[in-house]
Formats: sequence, C-alpha cells, structure tokens
Amino acid sequence: DGGITQSPKYLFRKEGQNVTLSCEQNLNHDAMYWYRQDPGQGLRLIYYSQIVNDFQKGDIAEGYSVSREKKESFPLTVTSAQKNPTAFYLCASSKSVQWFTEAFFGQGTRLTVV
Amino acid sequence: KNQVEQSPQSLIILEGKNCTLQCNYTVSPFSNLRWYKQDTGRGPVSLTIMTFSENTKSNGRYTATLDADTKQSSLHITASQLSDSASYICVVSAGLNNDMRFGAGTRLTVKP
Repeated sequence: DGGITQSPKYLFRKEGQNVTLSCEQNLNHDAMYWYRQDPGQGLRLIYYSQIVNDFQKGDIAEGYSVSREKKESFPLTVTSAQKNPTAFYLCASSKSVQWFTEAFFGQGTRLTVV
Repeated sequence: KNQVEQSPQSLIILEGKNCTLQCNYTVSPFSNLRWYKQDTGRGPVSLTIMTFSENTKSNGRYTATLDADTKQSSLHITASQLSDSASYICVVSAGLNNDMRFGAGTRLTVKP
C-alpha cells in the first residue's frame, strides 16, 4: 500500500553515538521533510529536500545531517553534536514544495538517549 | 514567539458533545491553513486545507472555518466520539513554498 514508512518506531542512542532514522515513500513525491516534535511545542523543521541530490537546512539543522540519493528515501542522521536529541521525529512528503500541495506524514520515530 | 497559537491547550468533553478549537496566526504572507489530527505516538493526518478564498470546509463531523482578515481559524467537532481523542494541530503555510508553521496543538480527550 502507498504511503510513508519510518523505521524504527523506537530508537535508543547512547551518548556520543550517531544514529540514522529511515524514511521511505512510494508516493512518487519530489519533496520530503524532517520535523522534530517536542512536548508542548509545534513541529520544527530540521531539513527538507525539493528533489533528488538536493536538500536545505530548516530551522533547527544543527547536529543533524541528511542525504537524498534516491527519490524514495530521505534518511536523517542524528549526530553526537546534537546535544538534546531525545524527541519524536516525523518525516513528511509532498508532491512538490509549492504551497498548495498536500503533505503526508509517516508514523514517527521516537528517539531516546540512554 | 510562535506564529501559530492554539487554544485551549487541552480539552475534556463527554462523548456526543460538540467542541470548538481555536487557532490564531500571524504568519505572512498567508497561503493556506490546514488542520491535522494526531493520535498519540502516530503521525499527523490531514483533516482539512483552506486557502485565503475559503472560509469554511467540512470533512464529516469536522468543520473548519477561516477568517483571513482577523487571522483566525476554528475547528468544530460535532457529536464527538471516543476516537476523536487526539491532538489537533493547526498548520499555516507562508509564501509560495510549503513553508509550514505548526501550532503546538490542542489535546482533546473524549470521555464516555
């Protein structure tokens, strides 16, 4: 079935480790996004990609990295430079970045630092 | 300061009752406003999307209104059900790109 798949659902990271969150979509969407959700706050944009091999920083990109080697995939790496990584991470996609296009979200990955 | 403010932060109602959630925004230039429903531990799911030329849109028991002059939107839920328990997020897009600004959400609990 079509949609956006994030994995894993839960992820635990030790201090100083890098971890990679997976996001795959089969909607043939050009644009993909990564958001972070913290309690009591709205979603904040980490990175977005308008097209393959291109990505742009969002509002809170520090300590994160992404790649867009394939249209279907937009993995997010949380590096050891991210000082407070514990959060709920959401991946989204849309047909394009134009204002009228609908955005669809994955089911999220909850990352916890242990 | 967040550009999208939602109220109340949380709300508890009895099953079968109606409720209205509020969203005020300062995002400019305005492109569209969306309401999403987010179940606990899941991703948001779209309920409605409205452009500046629309002032009301319905999706089943959900009706969203938009007043672009006062920069206010509301989401009215009719005859609530237990499955309506979720967070409802108001999202306002700015400019020509999908630059979405998210409210913190209203946490709705429907009790039997």
